Amino acid sequence: NAGVMQNPRHLVRRRGQEARLRCSPMKGHSHVYWYRQLPEEGLKFMVYLQKENIIDESGMPKERFSAEFPKEGPSILRIQQVVRGDSAAYFCASSAENTIYFGEGSWLTVV
Amino acid sequence: GNSVTQMEGPVTLSEEAFLTINCTYTATGYPSLFWYVQYPGEGLQLLLKATKADDKGSNKGFEATYRKETTSFHLEKGSVQVSDSAVYFCALSDGAAGNKLTFGGGTRVLVKP
Repeated sequence: NAGVMQNPRHLVRRRGQEARLRCSPMKGHSHVYWYRQLPEEGLKFMVYLQKENIIDESGMPKERFSAEFPKEGPSILRIQQVVRGDSAAYFCASSAENTIYFGEGSWLTVV
Repeated sequence: GNSVTQMEGPVTLSEEAFLTINCTYTATGYPSLFWYVQYPGEGLQLLLKATKADDKGSNKGFEATYRKETTSFHLEKGSVQVSDSAVYFCALSDGAAGNKLTFGGGTRVLVKP
């Protein structure tokens, strides 16, 4: 049973470009979470999705960030017009019952 | 709101030393508590968990007991190895929004041979 799969693992973008991060949950999991880890900090919740629905986006920045989890395919976290402050590790997690499993993360560097 | 506070690092130890990382929490209701470990350049791995008061989670020689009276979930290991060098995160989930986790700031542990 494959774990939570994220890609790309590393992404470099110039300021103003768009970044798209993908996450495939564990087989059988229908709940996806995105977290952001700034350098030398803990993880901060961004958004919680189920298939085709955003359940909780209380941690998402109001502008430039969006997330989706379509009926088919991976969940996508999209960051438009990236700025240097977006440089971070972005972790996806999925869950069934009451345990969350994390992917290995996508490290975004904005230059 | 929910919050998790854990001791700041880095914590530097010699091999075979005893490790304790303090974690306290604030939450409504009865949260589930977790410890995650992050090795350099990697994602988070679930180390152990406890879902109700007085439960003890254990894994790979690590233990933590859910103490409701002191709202704590301290992580302990009796004899650390160099391979335990990592960042450890305490977290809670109150179940109100799926399994949304609130994390502490992380504690970096460095074990020297």
